[in-house]
Amino acid sequence: DSGVTQTPKHLITATGQRVTLRCSPRSGDLSVYWYQQSLDQGLQFLIQYYNGEERAKGNILERFSAQQFPDLHSELNLSSLELGDSALYFCASSRGNDYNSPLHFGNGTRLTVT
Amino acid sequence: AQKITQTQPGMFVQEKEAVTLDCTYDTSDPSYGLFWYKQPSSGEMIFLIYQGSYDQQNATEGRYSLNFQKARKSANLVISASQLGDSAMYFCAMREDNQGGKLIFGQGTELSVKP
Repeated sequence: DSGVTQTPKHLITATGQRVTLRCSPRSGDLSVYWYQQSLDQGLQFLIQYYNGEERAKGNILERFSAQQFPDLHSELNLSSLELGDSALYFCASSRGNDYNSPLHFGNGTRLTVT
Repeated sequence: AQKITQTQPGMFVQEKEAVTLDCTYDTSDPSYGLFWYKQPSSGEMIFLIYQGSYDQQNATEGRYSLNFQKARKSANLVISASQLGDSAMYFCAMREDNQGGKLIFGQGTELSVKP
């Protein structure tokens, strides 16, 4: 068990809808990361937060947004969903931003858009 | 250009034998970390091993070792005494000091362990 909690585990929704994915980092970890894993794109970095502030942005669509709350949990909001958004979404956390700190991943949320 | 390259989409190994999964990387940052993760069919991402760019010795964690060749920019994962439970996708990844915190992944290698 990595200590990172993601909910829900599975999500099935229709095109055009909006969903929220939730993540609780490991105790003591200040950094939260969101990744998208799809068959054609592999593991893509979306966004990182550190202690409530956005730290780095990757290939995140404008329809997607995220935030990290004062208690350090994070939410990823996906709106105007398209079929191509179907993927496994991972949250990860780390103690800090040092290049030598491993990221610890949650079990993921599998999103299916129909 | 790909930052992390894993050239073996799939590999087979006999149970109890050792196997090497290849990973090459590209960076101009002198400070970086290299990581290997395992993803079983159940989907979770499990951290296996870490090697820092300034580490003089190869990292080891139980049956996992990392063959770090800095001049060649390679960081191959060696799994000794393969077990059936080692069947999974394996990802090589890198964090660069000048890129903040993000971890960049390779495309992965699917390892199948035969009984």
